[in-house]
Amino acid sequence: GAGVSQSPSNKVTEKGKDVELRCDPISGHTALYWYRQSLGQGLEFLIYFQGNSAPDKSGLPSDRFSAERTGGSVSTLTIQRTQQEDSAVYLCASSFVALQNTEAFFGQGTRLTVV
Amino acid sequence: QKEVEQNSGPLSVPEGAIASLNCTYSDRGSQSFFWYRQYSGKSPELIMFIYSNGDKEDGRFTAQLNKASQYVSLLIRDSQPSDSATYLCATFSGNTGKLIFGQGTTLQVKP
Repeated sequence: GAGVSQSPSNKVTEKGKDVELRCDPISGHTALYWYRQSLGQGLEFLIYFQGNSAPDKSGLPSDRFSAERTGGSVSTLTIQRTQQEDSAVYLCASSFVALQNTEAFFGQGTRLTVV
Repeated sequence: QKEVEQNSGPLSVPEGAIASLNCTYSDRGSQSFFWYRQYSGKSPELIMFIYSNGDKEDGRFTAQLNKASQYVSLLIRDSQPSDSATYLCATFSGNTGKLIFGQGTTLQVKP
């Protein structure tokens, strides 16, 4: 596609439910990044993929969070047993490779609200 | 020490003035630097990137990089109210593919 696409745009879920957030990167981009942004805060790094592998998962807040990427394209971020503190905008970005001197572009984000 | 640091602001400048946004980083291995603009409720938009020491100009924007001082800045000339946004500085962490961001500086351009 022309840009990074994230779905859904908005998600309201009940505490304790599982949610899946999807990111479809720019065609040809092998690197994919997930961030979380709470209201009025900066971007919190969660995980990045180079192809289907995730060299750095250090930002995942807890074992309730997981992510996968298949076919070097679409990625899914899963949050199990959601808590109210998980409420945030989840942003995905992609770039040609996860290296210096490559630019990353963001999707429009998924706003997650846990009630 | 945070890997990328920015003054959160807000930085307030009058319309037509030069806005100067600053960023410092801790990892000497970082080679490339990015400036993103984020309007309230929107996702970040890449506006400038710089890989070499010195200045890089693009329209009203100039990025400046000083690797010896581990300092990168963004100058916005002839600031407009539409430039009011949060500006995020980003770099790759060392030799990894981890793209990390500063907390962002909020810029307010007053008519």
